[in-house]
Amino acid sequence: EAGVVQSPRYKIIEKKQPVAFWCNPISGHNTLYWYLQNLGQGPELLIRYENEEAVDDSQLPKDRFSAERLKGVDSTLKIQPAELGDSAVYLCASSLSHNTGELFFGEGSRLTVL
Amino acid sequence: GQQVMQIPQYQHVQEGEDFTTYCNSSTTLSNIQWYKQRPGGHPVFLIQLVKSGEVKKQKRLTFQFGEAKKNSSLHITATQTTDVGTYFCAGFGGSNYKLTFGKGTLLTVNP
Repeated sequence: EAGVVQSPRYKIIEKKQPVAFWCNPISGHNTLYWYLQNLGQGPELLIRYENEEAVDDSQLPKDRFSAERLKGVDSTLKIQPAELGDSAVYLCASSLSHNTGELFFGEGSRLTVL
Repeated sequence: GQQVMQIPQYQHVQEGEDFTTYCNSSTTLSNIQWYKQRPGGHPVFLIQLVKSGEVKKQKRLTFQFGEAKKNSSLHITATQTTDVGTYFCAGFGGSNYKLTFGKGTLLTVNP
């Protein structure tokens, strides 16, 4: 069974440019998460989806970040415009449901903003 | 909001020595999960503890959940070089029922 797939793995952009990340969760997983991980830190939740509904986006900087999960499967996370401080790894994870425990993480998308 | 603190931040051991990392939550948790992240990799689920005072073992790894469900520990017996990585606890709870990760403990093992 395929795991959580993310792309791109690496992205280098200049500040003020837009960037988008894509995630394909494990088939059948209703819950999808986007996490931000800075070097030497634990993952921090940006947004959680239950099917196509964003049920927790309290930590998403909505002035520049946006996300969508059309049809309740794939998801995209966009940053526009990117700032230097956005350099980090963006992790996508999925689970059968929010209450069942185990999160399956993708490989992550490493963003470098110059 | 809910905070999850982990100590130590770093731990370097000689191969064969034991290792323990501790996790403390500011609020009572519904459950706690542990993940391992190898250098350059992504977090991989190890285990979930749900019951007060629960102890679970996976080969050389022993996981404990405190009686008050606010703290947890991971103990590795006789470390091996394959144990290298960052170990994260993640507490599930709080008023908004959120999974909050600690900052992790980076374990390095000298062969």
